[in-house]
Amino acid sequence: NAGVTQTPKFRVLKTGQSMTLLCAQDMNHEYMYWYRQDPGMGLRLIHYSVGEGTTAKGEVPDGYNVSRLKKQNFLLGLESAAPSQTSVYFCASSYPISGAAALDEQYFGPGTRLTVT
Amino acid sequence: GENVEQHPSTLSVQEGDSAVIKCTYSDSASNYFPWYKQELGKGPQLIIDIRSNVGEKKDQRIAVTLNKTAKHFSLHITETQPEDSAVYFCAASSPVAGGTSYGKLTFGQGTILTVHP
Repeated sequence: NAGVTQTPKFRVLKTGQSMTLLCAQDMNHEYMYWYRQDPGMGLRLIHYSVGEGTTAKGEVPDGYNVSRLKKQNFLLGLESAAPSQTSVYFCASSYPISGAAALDEQYFGPGTRLTVT
Repeated sequence: GENVEQHPSTLSVQEGDSAVIKCTYSDSASNYFPWYKQELGKGPQLIIDIRSNVGEKKDQRIAVTLNKTAKHFSLHITETQPEDSAVYFCAASSPVAGGTSYGKLTFGQGTILTVHP
């Protein structure tokens, strides 16, 4: 199993540009999450999804949109990037629908470092 | 909403010493408290977790204690080794099963642990 993968690993955008971050998981998890990590602030939840076709807002959703058209993929979009969105973005997944794995453990991807100039 | 405070922000110890990281939370409804370790350039990884029906949990050199009355929980690492050097995050949530939080985690600000050989 590859676990949780994220693409791209690095990206530099100019203010106003748009981009999509892709997260994929192969653990058959129901729930998926997008977090951003900023120095001294821990990880903050942007959006999450509890199943295919469903999404919900987290703590810091403004400026971002998400979609979960397939169970294994969770996309994070920035329509008009701003310097305040410079951050490291992490995707995570949890809640296997079957098997003996713990329900609560969130598995994180390696992150995407985004710089907006 | 939930608020998690974590201290200290940095911790430096000698190899073989013990390290303690403390967290407080605000929402009395939270009953799941995981700890994550993040190595440089990687995503966070679960190292231990505790639920509110348990006061202490140990896994080899790592232990977590929970005081639900005072709303604080702590991570204890004994016999520290250089490979323990990383950023550690505490978090709080409600369990996925039987709850409505959908596993959403509120993270502390993180502690940079450095173990000197």
